[in-house]
Amino acid sequence: DAGITQSPRHKVTETGTPVTLRCHQTENHRYMYWYRQDPGHGLRLIHYSYGVKDTDKGEVSDGYSVSRSKTEDFLLTLESATSSQTSVYFCAISDPDRHTDTQYFGPGTRLTVL
Amino acid sequence: AQTVTQSQPEMSVQEAETVTLSCTYDTSESDYYLFWYKQPPSRQMILVIRQEAYKQQNATENRFSVNFQKAAKSFSLKISDSQLGDAAMYFCALLSNSGYALNFGKGTSLLVTP
Repeated sequence: DAGITQSPRHKVTETGTPVTLRCHQTENHRYMYWYRQDPGHGLRLIHYSYGVKDTDKGEVSDGYSVSRSKTEDFLLTLESATSSQTSVYFCAISDPDRHTDTQYFGPGTRLTVL
Repeated sequence: AQTVTQSQPEMSVQEAETVTLSCTYDTSESDYYLFWYKQPPSRQMILVIRQEAYKQQNATENRFSVNFQKAAKSFSLKISDSQLGDAAMYFCALLSNSGYALNFGKGTSLLVTP
């Protein structure tokens, strides 16, 4: 299994508060991704990163920002959480440069916004 | 736009029997990758099998095999000798060679009965 950890694994917060989720990898993969999983929607891409300080938006990026200051860490921030952001969040990694197009996923973070 | 459709929300199979999960997709790309991921109750997304569109040979991983029909845009997963541990949600996903987002179907819940 790819070395990917996510923290926290569970979080309950209130509407309007900032929240940061962390993804940490030990595989030295260049690409990192944040997805959210909601019933009836499968997984949808929020943001991705193709290198340190290089990020781009995915399908459902509104209300989210990301940062990547080191290869191993990719942070997802909800500046002001809303109930619609209650979801399970997955981090994934891949490295197309090494012909590893397959995305490997972390264990997920369940976020509840009250 | 790329779409992935899993038309079977739920499937059931008896232990030791064979089951086939269906997936169809739509893409205008000629080069892409297809995946099946398994999500057990632990929520972890686990790669089951991967298929490169340019390869005509169907991928196989132990008891798991695919039937890839490129012209029909069909990518079904066959599980042989089903085991209780195979019970999970199964997601079909598409990754184009020109993009970064995995496009997921909505999943098929597989129940394995003794």
